[in-house]
Order: sequence, then C-alpha cells, then structure tokens
Amino acid sequence: AQSVTQPDIHITVSEGASLELRCNYSYGATPYLFWYVQSPGQGLQLLLKYFSGDTLVQGIKGFEAEFKRSQSSFNLRKPSVHWSDAAEYFCAVVRTSGTYKYIFGTGTRLKVLA
Amino acid sequence: KAGVTQTPRYLIKTRGQQVTLSCSPISGHRSVSWYQQTPGQGLQFLFEYFSETQRNKGNFPGRFSGRQFSNSRSEMNVSTLELGDSALYLCASSLGLAGQETQYFGPGTRLLVL
Repeated sequence: AQSVTQPDIHITVSEGASLELRCNYSYGATPYLFWYVQSPGQGLQLLLKYFSGDTLVQGIKGFEAEFKRSQSSFNLRKPSVHWSDAAEYFCAVVRTSGTYKYIFGTGTRLKVLA
Repeated sequence: KAGVTQTPRYLIKTRGQQVTLSCSPISGHRSVSWYQQTPGQGLQFLFEYFSETQRNKGNFPGRFSGRQFSNSRSEMNVSTLELGDSALYLCASSLGLAGQETQYFGPGTRLLVL
C-alpha cells in the first residue's frame, strides 16, 4: 500500500541553524510530491511541490526540497531557521496512475529556540 | 482575492445527529477537496469535487457525503455522527484537479461530537 513516512515527530532547532525534515514514500512510480506547513490555528499552506524535472525544488519562505528517486525521499531543507518557522510540516504524495490517492504524512512539529 | 472560507468555524453536536459544513472556494477555482484532520489518524482525504461532480473519494463510510454547486461552493454532510467524527475538517480549492494543482486551504471547521 502506498504510504508516506515522516520519521521525526518533533524537531527542535535554534534560530539561525539549518533544518532538514525527512519524508519517505512508498509507491512504485514517481508520485507528485508536496510539502505543506500548518501554523497553530491555521489551515495548510503549500511550501513547494515536485511533479517532474529538476530534482531540487525551491519554495516559499526560503524552503527547498530535493527529490531522490533512489531513496524514495523528498526532504525539506532551510539553511537558516527563523522563529516564525515554528509550525507543523506535512509531506504529501499523490499517485500519478491508477486510483487517485492524496496521502499526507503524520507531520513533523518544529520548535525553534531563540 | 479572498481566500477559502469555511463556515461554521466551530460546531458542537451530539451522537446520532447530522451536520453540514460549508466551503467557499477562491473565485475562479473549480475544484474543492475535503480533508479530515485528527490527532490519531492525521490528515485524511475525504473527497474532491470538480465542476459539480465528485471526481475522487477517500476511504470513508457513506455517512460522509458532499456536493458542489454551480458557483463551486461545496458542502459536506456527515450523518449519524459518531464520537470519532470529532475532528478539524479542512477544505481546499484549486484551479484544476487537486493532485495536479496548488491547493489553497481554508482555516477549517472544528467539529466536536459529544
């Protein structure tokens, strides 16, 4: 069955430090891949998406993600974290063939220390 | 341009009742998708409507239904409420089908079933 794994439930980083959030998926073909952010009391906001092409994707708020087919991963990165980045981050995949499935990971909650 | 709006924002119901949630998409968007978010199950796709037709459906019982009107506004109905239906219900709109487009999420309706 198709699945999305975000192995880190909580991550704490200091402001100004770099960040990497992990996302792995299981699916035979390359799915469409997304990263969303959810701030407290807010809906989700799309950070970036990957459909095809260049495997390094730039998003909003200084985030980027790299698709690695060999590792079935789509990790989110930011070189320098700001206190306002504290939120919950969700990776999501969409099947590109067969029955439509839009699957979210369980989320990673980011805490930023001043 | 106004964002996605959901009404009501909060709702308290008792077991066995039914509830209708409303979602107004961004002007010009033809797709509306619904998601359920709970601490235990995370974010789960309910269904997607495009041009008044249900295009995709997640793994939820028939108690969960929806519809879309000609102005793209959508409603979601849950009949015979169960305690486990307590959740944040998010709707998202997109220009085209959700799996291929950027989705814009509303703030959600928080439903509590007593």
